[in-house]
Amino acid sequence: DGGITQSPKYLFRKEGQNVTLSCEQNLNHDAMYWYRQDPGQGLRLIYYSQIVNDFQKGDIAEGYSVSREKKESFPLTVTSAQKNPTAFYLCASRQDNTGKTQYFGPGTRLLVL
Amino acid sequence: QKEVEQDPGPLSVPEGAIVSLNCTYSNSAFQYFMWYRQYSRKGPELLMYTYSSGNKEDGRFTAQVDKSSKYISLFIRDSQPSDSATYLCAMSAGNYGQNFVFGPGTRLSVLP
Repeated sequence: DGGITQSPKYLFRKEGQNVTLSCEQNLNHDAMYWYRQDPGQGLRLIYYSQIVNDFQKGDIAEGYSVSREKKESFPLTVTSAQKNPTAFYLCASRQDNTGKTQYFGPGTRLLVL
Repeated sequence: QKEVEQDPGPLSVPEGAIVSLNCTYSNSAFQYFMWYRQYSRKGPELLMYTYSSGNKEDGRFTAQVDKSSKYISLFIRDSQPSDSATYLCAMSAGNYGQNFVFGPGTRLSVLP
């Protein structure tokens, strides 16, 4: 059963703490994406990767970091430099980078204690 | 001007009504157009995908693209309470390295 999984579903961060959100896909897709969703603001692109061992900053990359060591995995780290991390984080993947459809995971809700 | 505009709603309709959801855009290079449905606290799911101009129908859903007006629509016939969700439009030019651009979403409530 192919798809995108994200874990955990809920994550709590303390002040000054780095946290890592997991994203795994078994669709054999080349491109993977991280978005942040805030109420009323739609989806904003944080980072994306078109191929293993390569990634690019999106529109709001400050305070975040990623890695792409394996094709199926694209973890996102929310660092202590991100001062307003409370949001719904969505991971997505696309078969290739030529404009075809993009599929989303179930999301991780990050809350600050 | 934002690249993609979408009325955030909320839009409330009675069960059985025809719903019209719309997005306008400014980039004439967009060729691929998508509609996603997102239930509360869930990831968006792909509903409709259209390439270039024209209509596409899938069950109760019809997607329309008018590239000359830079306007796309999603119609829902015989709307059901289970259609209550946020609907996001998305589009892409399709060139290598070109990412998707999303509208902010329209929140729809179908009242029984």
